[in-house]
Amino acid sequence: DGGITQSPKYLFRKEGQNVTLSCEQNLNHDAMYWYRQDPGQGLRLIYYSQIVNDFQKGDIAEGYSVSREKKESFPLTVTSAQKNPTAFYLCASTAGTYTDTQYFGPGTRLTVL
Amino acid sequence: QQQVKQSPQSLIVQKGGISIINCAYENTAFDYFPWYQQFPGKGPALLIAIRPDVSEKKEGRFTISFNKSAKQFSLHIMDSQPGDSATYFCAAGTKLTTDKLIFGTGTRLQVFP
Repeated sequence: DGGITQSPKYLFRKEGQNVTLSCEQNLNHDAMYWYRQDPGQGLRLIYYSQIVNDFQKGDIAEGYSVSREKKESFPLTVTSAQKNPTAFYLCASTAGTYTDTQYFGPGTRLTVL
Repeated sequence: QQQVKQSPQSLIVQKGGISIINCAYENTAFDYFPWYQQFPGKGPALLIAIRPDVSEKKEGRFTISFNKSAKQFSLHIMDSQPGDSATYFCAAGTKLTTDKLIFGTGTRLQVFP
């Protein structure tokens, strides 16, 4: 059963702590993306990667970091430098081009207390 | 110029009615316009997409209308059903944005029986 897995679904952290969100895909897709979703602001791109060991900043990369050591994995770290980290985080992947369907994971809701 | 403006922010429709969501863009390089549907607590999923060489695309009860000269496109949901209640995102893409999609801010649709 192909798809994208994000874990955990809900995550609580204390202010000042770094936290890593997991994203795994078994679709054999080259490109992977991280989005942040806030009410009324749509989907904002944090980071994306088109190939293993390479990634680019999106529109709101400050306070976040990523790695792409394996094709199927693209973890996102929310650092303590992120001013307002509480949000719904979505991971997506595509076969590689902008006209390919983006397949999204179920999301992780991060709450920083 | 990279923005996609989406309206309305929320929409309430009676069962059986027509739901219409509008999007506008500035960048004439955009050449791919998908719509994504997101149910609460889930990741978005591709609903329907259009390229600018056609003015309309229909899939079941869902139709995209595209007006190239006005730089606008819209989603029409005919015979709206309570199961259509979701958030809808328009998006736009071009090879010039390195395989990224630019998403609108989303429209929350509620269909009442």
